[in-house]
Amino acid sequence: DIQMTQSPSSLSASIGDRVTITCRASQSLSNYLNWYQQKPGRAPNLLIFAASSLQRGVPSRFSGSGSGTDFTLTISSLQPEDSATYFCQQGYSIPYTFGQGTKLEIK
Amino acid sequence: QLQLQESGPGLVKPSETLSLTCTVSGGSISSSISYWDWIRQPPGKGLEWIGSIYYTGSTYYNPSLKSRFTISVDASKNQFSLQLSSVTATDTAVFYCVRHGDTSHNWFDSWGQGTLVTVSS
Repeated sequence: DIQMTQSPSSLSASIGDRVTITCRASQSLSNYLNWYQQKPGRAPNLLIFAASSLQRGVPSRFSGSGSGTDFTLTISSLQPEDSATYFCQQGYSIPYTFGQGTKLEIK
Repeated sequence: QLQLQESGPGLVKPSETLSLTCTVSGGSISSSISYWDWIRQPPGKGLEWIGSIYYTGSTYYNPSLKSRFTISVDASKNQFSLQLSSVTATDTAVFYCVRHGDTSHNWFDSWGQGTLVTVSS
């Protein structure tokens, strides 16, 4: 199985901050990497697909980059509603696997 | 707008079989571009992909899990289902039914609200 490792596991940031979450895969994924946001008690929501494509309806402050084994999710200007847990997921090979999650809190 | 809704028992006894159904509305389960998946999340933990089914009945499973899972589809009812046999307490989780909307990059773009299944006697 492809192992996905996110860092940090948690972080705290202020409104307006630029926030970066990284995801590293145990083998090359090309751009077969997707990002999700999950709020407490809710299902995950697709933010970014194919490493850098923004899902419809997702605010443009979210962006994704990377290829191969190293990927980044960036929030350009943190908003209160961005408090959530973020997961990366590889779609390169079965079984599809997720990172352990990054919990983002607002200071 | 596509909606998915899980249904099934919230409590299952150890060693029994768990059965969940996902009802799809606002779209056809027979869409040629979609697979339909199950994903689970133990309380306070991460996400685990269980498997996929196409409307024709073709399935893919997570080989890292023991072969206790069975996914089936009833296109006439716009539903797909999950069975998990011989459950134990470690199977306690929120189970999500999901649309697997792209079979190239394999992202999950529509999710049910999730249903918590507790395994306990």
